[in-house]
Amino acid sequence: GAVVSQHPSWVICKSGTSVKIECRSLDFQATTMFWYRQFPKQSLMLMATSNEGSKATYEQGVEKDKFLINHASLTLSTLTVTSAHPEDSSFYICSARRSRGTDTQYFGPGTRLTVL
Amino acid sequence: AQKITQTQPGMFVQEKEAVTLDCTYDTSDPSYGLFWYKQPSSGEMIFLIYQGSYDQQNATEGRYSLNFQKARKSANLVISASQLGDSAMYFCAMREGPNTGGFKTIFGAGTRLFVKA
Repeated sequence: GAVVSQHPSWVICKSGTSVKIECRSLDFQATTMFWYRQFPKQSLMLMATSNEGSKATYEQGVEKDKFLINHASLTLSTLTVTSAHPEDSSFYICSARRSRGTDTQYFGPGTRLTVL
Repeated sequence: AQKITQTQPGMFVQEKEAVTLDCTYDTSDPSYGLFWYKQPSSGEMIFLIYQGSYDQQNATEGRYSLNFQKARKSANLVISASQLGDSAMYFCAMREGPNTGGFKTIFGAGTRLFVKA
């Protein structure tokens, strides 16, 4: 099956610093990657959709300048949380879709971010 | 308005019995996809089963089957012969069509399943 990795799996940082999270599709090319945020005991909330080589599409209410997404290649997308604050603490999950015509998304294991 | 509704926050089932997890959805687009995912305590999302809006037959994958009732807009997940390892959070999700959501996938609130020995 398709494998998606995320790095790091967890990170603790000080308030005001920036944190980069990587999402990689290990055995397939992903034209589309998605970034989700999950609060404790809640469902996944889609933050943005990124297509390789183009700007990400952000969901309403998600700050583009705070959550920078780069999808530079068909196997890598990064999410950078800039000037992180304690309210940004959450579980961030990425998913990847093989091609535009395929419905199945393959999820990464998630990254737990804690901002002190 | 809620587009994906999972009305059961928590469910208990006896090991080896079958269990149905409810999911209803709302969309005006004729083309959409429905998914079920499992999220164990480790946090990883595991794809279970997919049903396309134009699929004539209900999807099945091993012990998982999707009871798709299009007119009622429901897509219930049936797990047969429950195992202890099935204890997890289960999410129903819908990939919207081009006319409504631009192919975004949205998730329900989830149902936590507890399998009793």
